[in-house]
Amino acid sequence: SAVISQKPSRDICQRGTSLTIQCQVDSQVTMMFWYRQQPGQSLTLIATANQGSEATYESGFVIDKFPISRPNLTFSTLTVSNMSPEDSSIYLCSVGGQRELFFGEGSRLTVL
Amino acid sequence: QQQVKQSPQSLIVQKGGISIINCAYENTAFDYFPWYQQFPGKGPALLIAIRPDVSEKKEGRFTISFNKSAKQFSLHIMDSQPGDSATYFCAASDWGGSNYKLTFGKGTLLTVNP
Repeated sequence: SAVISQKPSRDICQRGTSLTIQCQVDSQVTMMFWYRQQPGQSLTLIATANQGSEATYESGFVIDKFPISRPNLTFSTLTVSNMSPEDSSIYLCSVGGQRELFFGEGSRLTVL
Repeated sequence: QQQVKQSPQSLIVQKGGISIINCAYENTAFDYFPWYQQFPGKGPALLIAIRPDVSEKKEGRFTISFNKSAKQFSLHIMDSQPGDSATYFCAASDWGGSNYKLTFGKGTLLTVNP
């Protein structure tokens, strides 16, 4: 399985600010996704991070709020823009292997 | 709408007992059904997964049973241990159709009492 590193692991942010989360994988992967897990809830897909092109967003998520970059096959960033308390969640990077999908440890954001 | 329905929401089992978590899906294109285990403060870890060409898959104390006609699959944890206490998520995707996005169930909080 791939080793997935996310930074930061947790942060406390002020309302109205933006935060960029990094996801680094120890091997090249084709598939990379960003999920959100609100407190005590299940995982919801935000977007598919496409290498060299714009991310594909799921219904309810927009690029202005969650811009994503994926400059190569081992790295991606997710920015949470103009944060509000409702954005307090765990944000998870997920990568696809040949037959499975794996998750990083997540970035726990608290917005005050 | 692609959904995966998971039950129960929470489950309390005595040490040594069998834990059973059930999931049902609607999209017949789904062909990959993983289970993830999540401890507090950690990301979900892939526990076991099955594809619809088999009806059962066993790895150690964990078994997935799959019923394609009923569109249901379940996780059985034999000889449950306190260390198994975690939240379990079932999921599904259309892997063969190159749609690798996972649709998750709402999760089951398992507590195994010593």
